[in-house]
Amino acid sequence: EAGVTQSPTHLIKTRGQQATLRCSPISGHTSVYWYQQALGLGLQFLLWYDEGEERNRGNFPPRFSGRQFPNYSSELNVNALELEDSALYLCASRGGQAYLETQYFGPGTRLLVL
Amino acid sequence: AQSVTQPDIHITVSEGASLELRCNYSYGATPYLFWYVQSPGQGLQLLLKYFSGDTLVQGIKGFEAEFKRSQSSFNLRKPSVHWSDAAEYFCAVGAWGAGNMLTFGGGTRLMVKP
Repeated sequence: EAGVTQSPTHLIKTRGQQATLRCSPISGHTSVYWYQQALGLGLQFLLWYDEGEERNRGNFPPRFSGRQFPNYSSELNVNALELEDSALYLCASRGGQAYLETQYFGPGTRLLVL
Repeated sequence: AQSVTQPDIHITVSEGASLELRCNYSYGATPYLFWYVQSPGQGLQLLLKYFSGDTLVQGIKGFEAEFKRSQSSFNLRKPSVHWSDAAEYFCAVGAWGAGNMLTFGGGTRLMVKP
């Protein structure tokens, strides 16, 4: 069974540009989570999508947004990039109806903002 | 709000020695606790999880963790470390009612001496 996949693996942008990151969950999983892993800030929860709807978001500005498609894949958009947005962005998916199910992580997209 | 503390940023052990990585959490209800491992340039792999029941949890790669409610701890142990265990280890608590979004500790980087 294929795991969570993310694309691209690396992304280089300049300040002020927009970045789009993509995530495909494990087959059958309907929930997708996004986390940011920035140097010195650790792993922080960004967004949670379930059944096509945004269900929760972390303490990030509105220029971080995303969506979930009918096939449950997800896209994270970061507008007006700032230098401090440079980080590893991890996507995780979860299946099942219960919140007790485990989140499985993808390999991440490394975003570098110059 | 929940929080996780991993007091040790770096730990170095000799191959074959035992290992204990510390994790303390703060959460107002019954915690859902996880240990993940991250190899360089990789995503997160689940080692083990605790939801309820037996407080000693067995995981993959020979790891185990013990939940101690009185100490708010969930320490990870391994009786004999292998060189391939060198990685960064993250403890996390899941927030019931928020889609089980994960709050991570700062991580502990494990180095293994030959």
